[in-house]
Amino acid sequence: QTVVTQEPSLTVSPGGTVTLTCASSTGAVISTYYPNWFQQKPGQAPRALIYTTSNKHSWTPARFSGSLLGGKAALTLSGAQPEDEAEYYCLLLLGGSWVFGGGTKLTVL
Amino acid sequence: QVLLVQSGAEVKKPGASVKVSCKASGYTFTNYGITWVRQAPGQGLEWVGWINVHDGHTNFAQKFQGRVTLTTDTSTNTAYMELRSLSSDDTAVFYCVRDFSFNCDWWGQGTPVTVSS
Repeated sequence: QTVVTQEPSLTVSPGGTVTLTCASSTGAVISTYYPNWFQQKPGQAPRALIYTTSNKHSWTPARFSGSLLGGKAALTLSGAQPEDEAEYYCLLLLGGSWVFGGGTKLTVL
Repeated sequence: QVLLVQSGAEVKKPGASVKVSCKASGYTFTNYGITWVRQAPGQGLEWVGWINVHDGHTNFAQKFQGRVTLTTDTSTNTAYMELRSLSSDDTAVFYCVRDFSFNCDWWGQGTPVTVSS
């Protein structure tokens, strides 16, 4: 069974920069895994942030960016705001099926 | 504006089935797929499966194979997910998501399903 792993929790200071990563048990994450990133706040449906590694939606704040970094998919937040405190999930296409990571709880403190 | 509006909360007994609907608007329904996602209370997101609205082709996570059916009605722009043989482990919020070319963008508001005797 393929497992997608994210940091369980991270903390960033307001205005600071943090990188969340997404690793696959199959090996290095590559562009054809089409990484997607989502943000979810308590009691809300998830909201899409990034698709196919680094593409932003029209509503994605400019401070979020996606990339491949060291064999993982990465979501970088530059200039964290209090409203960025949330759970973040990555999604990878592995063997023809989508697999979610376990999520990263990001605290802005 | 794209909208995915899901049906309301359901309460089911173990062994029963549930059918959740997802009505799409604001885009050409047949040009996109619909992905379904489950989220148990306090847990992460879990991919259930996907349907190509244009041709009806489906793909499911292995753990749901044989227990879930995904369908669409293009006359009403509505997608459906039916899950059978429910157990307490299926207590969760189910989401539909618009899916096109490896891009999962718009999410429905979620449908809570409670399985309890």
